[in-house]
Amino acid sequence: GQNIDQPTEMTATEGAIVQINCTYQTSGFNGLFWYQQHAGEAPTFLSYNVLDGLEEKGRFSSFLSRSKGYSYLLLKELQMKDSASYLCAALDSNYQLIWGAGTKLIIKP
Amino acid sequence: IAGITQAPTSQILAAGRRMTLRCTQDMRHNAMYWYRQDLGLGLRLIHYSNTAGTTGKGEVPDGYSVSRANTDDFPLTLASAVPSQTSVYFCASSEDSGSRNEQFFGPGTRLTVL
Repeated sequence: GQNIDQPTEMTATEGAIVQINCTYQTSGFNGLFWYQQHAGEAPTFLSYNVLDGLEEKGRFSSFLSRSKGYSYLLLKELQMKDSASYLCAALDSNYQLIWGAGTKLIIKP
Repeated sequence: IAGITQAPTSQILAAGRRMTLRCTQDMRHNAMYWYRQDLGLGLRLIHYSNTAGTTGKGEVPDGYSVSRANTDDFPLTLASAVPSQTSVYFCASSEDSGSRNEQFFGPGTRLTVL
């Protein structure tokens, strides 16, 4: 079956760095997405990786290892507004997104 | 309008009633999707449409139907609502259904079936 695993909840301190991990098992693979979702709002796109390695975009970076079925989202210089859920999703062989349940990130001052 | 709109924002519905959730996008995207989001579960795909005039079943299609008469609109119908359909429903669109499939989401409809 197809499965995405990510931690349910994480806590970090304002100004610090946090890494949110995601492992995936899909039938075929066409890329890995990260979305941010604030409480009561819609998900918004953060990053897309299809090749191994690190993609950096400002304070956010995303890493992919296809051989390990593993990705992480790295958030630097955490701000209170980064408190949200972070959704990992893998694009399978039919180009359909398989979503993880999301990681709720709590930022403390 | 800009992006994707959904209506209604929220709805309380009696079991057995018929309900249509509306979704409209103005980005001329070819692909559109309906998801439901439940606490502790990931987004689950209900139905999708790769282009106007075509639709397909997702992971959880039972009890739902869709149509795609034109590029902009993608309504979702619950023929006879049941309490297990209580959820937050998100409509999304993407330029196409191929790789690099960044999806843009509407604000969601919170549906409660009693």
